[in-house]
Amino acid sequence: KAGVTQTPRYLIKTRGQQVTLSCSPISGHRSVSWYQQTPGQGLQFLFEYFSETQRNKGNFPGRFSGRQFSNSRSEMNVSTLELGDSALYLCASSFYGSGGLRGNEQFFGPGTRLTVL
Amino acid sequence: SQQGEEDPQALSIQEGENATMNCSYKTSINNLQWYRQNSGRGLVHLILIRSNEREKHSGRLRVTLDTSKKSSSLLITASRAADTASYFCATVFTGNQFYFGTGTSLTVIP
Repeated sequence: KAGVTQTPRYLIKTRGQQVTLSCSPISGHRSVSWYQQTPGQGLQFLFEYFSETQRNKGNFPGRFSGRQFSNSRSEMNVSTLELGDSALYLCASSFYGSGGLRGNEQFFGPGTRLTVL
Repeated sequence: SQQGEEDPQALSIQEGENATMNCSYKTSINNLQWYRQNSGRGLVHLILIRSNEREKHSGRLRVTLDTSKKSSSLLITASRAADTASYFCATVFTGNQFYFGTGTSLTVIP
């Protein structure tokens, strides 16, 4: 099975611009989560989508948004970029079962390195 | 914050030695998972331990979970240079919401 893919891998933008990042999950996985990773804050949860619906959302401003398509591919968008948005953005997919005590491991993509100048 | 916290932040050992890192969390969890990240790349799942389990093994990895103390430890035995990476614990709550800790940076010196 192909792993989680993210495009683009590297991106340079200037303040005020917007950016769209893409994530293709592992085939059969219906849950996609996004994380922001910075040296100072570590891994911060952005949001999770399941079957095209946002299931969970982290503590980020409304400039950060996402969506999921019927084929489970997901995009996240950041509008009005700020210098502090420079980070590694990681996407992870998982096969979401019935929940409860089962839990699910997440499979991560290589990330998109966003630099805001 | 519901994030786990790893301890120590950084660890440097000689090849062949054992490495132990700890994770503490604040609220009841569904399960706890450990991940490895090589520099600037995606995370790789290592092991999952459920809230009703106390210990799990996978190859050279041993994970323990003490729900009364809200803590977990990851032991890597007979470390190798290739184990050099950052290690994160992720606490998973009802609804499949993951919270990652700040990570332990492990350096294994050949």
